[in-house]
Amino acid sequence: GAGVSQSPSNKVTEKGKDVELRCDPISGHTALYWYRQSLGQGLEFLIYFQGNSAPDKSGLPSDRFSAERTGGSVSTLTIQRTQQEDSAVYLCASSPWVGRRNYGYTFGSGTRLTVV
Amino acid sequence: AQTVTQSQPEMSVQEAETVTLSCTYDTSESDYYLFWYKQPPSRQMILVIRQEAYKQQNATENRFSVNFQKAAKSFSLKISDSQLGDAAMYFCAYYVNAGGTSYGKLTFGQGTILTVHP
Repeated sequence: GAGVSQSPSNKVTEKGKDVELRCDPISGHTALYWYRQSLGQGLEFLIYFQGNSAPDKSGLPSDRFSAERTGGSVSTLTIQRTQQEDSAVYLCASSPWVGRRNYGYTFGSGTRLTVV
Repeated sequence: AQTVTQSQPEMSVQEAETVTLSCTYDTSESDYYLFWYKQPPSRQMILVIRQEAYKQQNATENRFSVNFQKAAKSFSLKISDSQLGDAAMYFCAYYVNAGGTSYGKLTFGQGTILTVHP
């Protein structure tokens, strides 16, 4: 697609429920990233995919968080047994990988998750 | 730890005036990239400008320019002829080209909220 697409745009869920957040990157972008942005804060790295593999999962805050990417394209971030502290905007970004040069990411508009 | 510091939580500027947003970073690596991103209320992060650390020349993009001081690890953003549409949260970020499992990860500062007054 023309941009990075994330769905849903907003999600309200009850504490303890599982949620799935979807990211559809720009076609051909091999690298995909998930970040979390809490209210008024900067961006916290969660996980990075190169193709379908995740060489860096260091930012996942707990084992309730997991992510996968299939076909080198769509990625799903799953949060199990949601807690109120999981409330945040979850941003996805993708980038092409041209050798070792970084031209910056293209971000989606994010999913605002509210756990009540 | 690699860090990015934006010391100005909020800044304001009059329309048509110039404003400078500050950013400092900490890395021992020599091969890295620096970025400024803009986040309007729509939430989407928009790349404003990019600087490669090995390039001496400061990057410019229309009304946006940077003052890159490598020795001081400083990377400020200057917005000239400010417009109402420039109002947003601005994030400084960097990426270290050091390989390993952290390859590709951008590290962000806490952001600066820019208000533009008509």
